[in-house]
Amino acid sequence: AQTVTQSQPEMSVQEAETVTLSCTYDTSESDYYLFWYKQPPSRQMILVIRQEAYKQQNATENRFSVNFQKAAKSFSLKISDSQLGDAAMYFCACDSNSGYALNFGKGTSLLVTP
Amino acid sequence: GAGVSQSPSNKVTEKGKDVELRCDPISGHTALYWYRQSLGQGLEFLIYFQGNSAPDKSGLPSDRFSAERTGGSVSTLTIQRTQQEDSAVYLCASSLDTEGYTFGSGTRLTVV
Repeated sequence: AQTVTQSQPEMSVQEAETVTLSCTYDTSESDYYLFWYKQPPSRQMILVIRQEAYKQQNATENRFSVNFQKAAKSFSLKISDSQLGDAAMYFCACDSNSGYALNFGKGTSLLVTP
Repeated sequence: GAGVSQSPSNKVTEKGKDVELRCDPISGHTALYWYRQSLGQGLEFLIYFQGNSAPDKSGLPSDRFSAERTGGSVSTLTIQRTQQEDSAVYLCASSLDTEGYTFGSGTRLTVV
């Protein structure tokens, strides 16, 4: 079984600053994928970044990067130069290599203040 | 189509009525997933279709819930004898391999 824990229900960051969202997971799989999704008020779940567990290098996508610590089963998301449009719910998710459904955390609500 | 399409966008139904929610995945995506998102909660897995294999129904909360996927494309989630606790946003996603799941905008179901 897999569990995903996001310990921060809410976070706040000032525009142009950096914020880190935490995520820990538990899985018995040796090969798996980790994701961060953003959900704005429109409800659309948008893929922010993806990490393959066997890759040592942390994934980056423009202002978004992850700190993947496999031994600690930690997968945090760093948002640099925060923008007002980054305000949303952020969900961490884990997927097994067998292609089964994603297992999501309960989400972190990010508020960006001017 | 270019994205995952779900209909209706919003649905209000009376307690005890049946509802059908539709999902049209991205063309060529072999995997299709249904999730439920209750107010302020994360996403709860309901059911998973992969190609022509038997679906994984392990997440369906009761026998009032069922889903089918016709011709490996469009899927319908049916909730019979709806209850107020069924009120939620129902999200559909499709994927090809594990490159990332593309979600639809969901159906907000309100049972009154």
